[in-house]
Amino acid sequence: GESVGLHLPTLSVQEGDNSIINCAYSNSASDYFIWYKQESGKGPQFIIDIRSNMDKRQGQRVTVLLNKTVKHLSLQIAATQPGDSAVYFCAERGRNNDMRFGAGTRLTVKP
Amino acid sequence: NAGVMQNPRHLVRRRGQEARLRCSPMKGHSHVYWYRQLPEEGLKFMVYLQKENIIDESGMPKERFSAEFPKEGPSILRIQQVVRGDSAAYFCASSPLAGGIFAGTDTQYFGPGTRLTVL
Repeated sequence: GESVGLHLPTLSVQEGDNSIINCAYSNSASDYFIWYKQESGKGPQFIIDIRSNMDKRQGQRVTVLLNKTVKHLSLQIAATQPGDSAVYFCAERGRNNDMRFGAGTRLTVKP
Repeated sequence: NAGVMQNPRHLVRRRGQEARLRCSPMKGHSHVYWYRQLPEEGLKFMVYLQKENIIDESGMPKERFSAEFPKEGPSILRIQQVVRGDSAAYFCASSPLAGGIFAGTDTQYFGPGTRLTVL
C-alpha cells in the first residue's frame, strides 16, 4: 500500500506487506529530517533520520528515501506488523534545531 | 538513563485558571523544546530554551503563555487564564546539543506529554 503526500492521511495494509508513507517538506534548505512514530496517548518516538547529503538510509525493517529535487521524503516499512500501527510523522529541522512536523499518516495493519 | 519526564500526564482546568506543565529533560541534556498537538494534527513548535535562557519563542502565543528553564529544576510551561482552545497535548523534547549538521547527538527525545483539558 502507498499513501501520497498528506492528502490521504490513512493507510491500511495487510500484515506482512510492505508499507510506504510519503511526505512533502517545504524548505529546500532543510538539512536534517526525522521520521517519528506516535502511538495513541504517547509522545513521538524516533524511528530513523537522514541528512541532506544522503538520499537513502536503512534501519531495521525501515528505509528512508530523500529526494531533494522535489522535496519529498518517504518511509518504507518492510513486512509490516500489527505493532507498527500508529501515526507516522515526518519532520524537518528548523533553524534552532526545533522540528517542523507534517500532519501525519495513520497506518493501520490488518491481521 | 531515564527518558524525558513530564508531569502531570493529565491536567483538567476550568476557564480562567492557570495551568503549569513540567518537563525534566534527559540527564545531560541542556536544550528543551515545547510543542503543542491538537487532535489528529502534527506537533507545532512553541518555544526553545536552554538553561536560564529563552532562545526562540516564535511559536508561542504572546499573551497568557510563558516558559522557563531555571538553572535548577524542570522546565515549566505556564498558561494563564486558560481558554477552551488551549485544550491539547503538550510535549516536551530535549537534546544534548543545539544542533550542528553533522552532530550525531542532535536528535530530540520526546516526553510522554501532558494532556490539558479546559472545561
